[in-house]
Amino acid sequence: EPEVTQTPSHQVTQMGQEVILRCVPISNHLYFYWYRQILGQKVEFLVSFYNNEISEKSEIFDDQFSVERPDGSNFTLKIRSTKLEDSAMYFCASSERTGHRAYEQYFGPGTRLTVT
Amino acid sequence: GESVGLHLPTLSVQEGDNSIINCAYSNSASDYFIWYKQESGKGPQFIIDIRSNMDKRQGQRVTVLLNKTVKHLSLQIAATQPGDSAVYFCAERMKGDYGQNFVFGPGTRLSVLP
Repeated sequence: EPEVTQTPSHQVTQMGQEVILRCVPISNHLYFYWYRQILGQKVEFLVSFYNNEISEKSEIFDDQFSVERPDGSNFTLKIRSTKLEDSAMYFCASSERTGHRAYEQYFGPGTRLTVT
Repeated sequence: GESVGLHLPTLSVQEGDNSIINCAYSNSASDYFIWYKQESGKGPQFIIDIRSNMDKRQGQRVTVLLNKTVKHLSLQIAATQPGDSAVYFCAERMKGDYGQNFVFGPGTRLSVLP
């Protein structure tokens, strides 16, 4: 069964450093998403991406964040200057966004980001 | 500073019994809802969805009920199995300042007793 993959599984970085989290969505999916989950808290939507541009974003997704689909398979989330409060599990998801399974999002296993 | 974790409500059910997990959503204009299951150390897993023009939808062993009058969503799991033990949370799609957002609830921990 196809699945969303994410690398690395755990990233440790120092405050102020840039990080790039990588995702490979399911190959025939058209919509891509990033979410984060701070330890012990709710899942929070960050951004959705379609047709090489951001389609929706939340107030969390400020200028420190950016997303990119650099090639036909990868989808990345960049945090320019990490802060301690960016420490969280980051989940990538993808969906077909067509037909009766339009919003069925498949989540990756997550990347745990630890900012020290 | 120290982050305060959510104290998740827990539902304990006997194996084979039916489970009902509830969720109160926030925005009467939300047009679409999803139930997710999250096992420890894993990403959320889609279970079932429902649009706001429906009040009930059935899947395999699961049923979602939507009561728009009181902004309430429930997930019913029939014949609960040990593999159903996980955190379950609902998500609503609502219009935020920057477009459509999915807003997640805090979750309920389901514990299936042998």
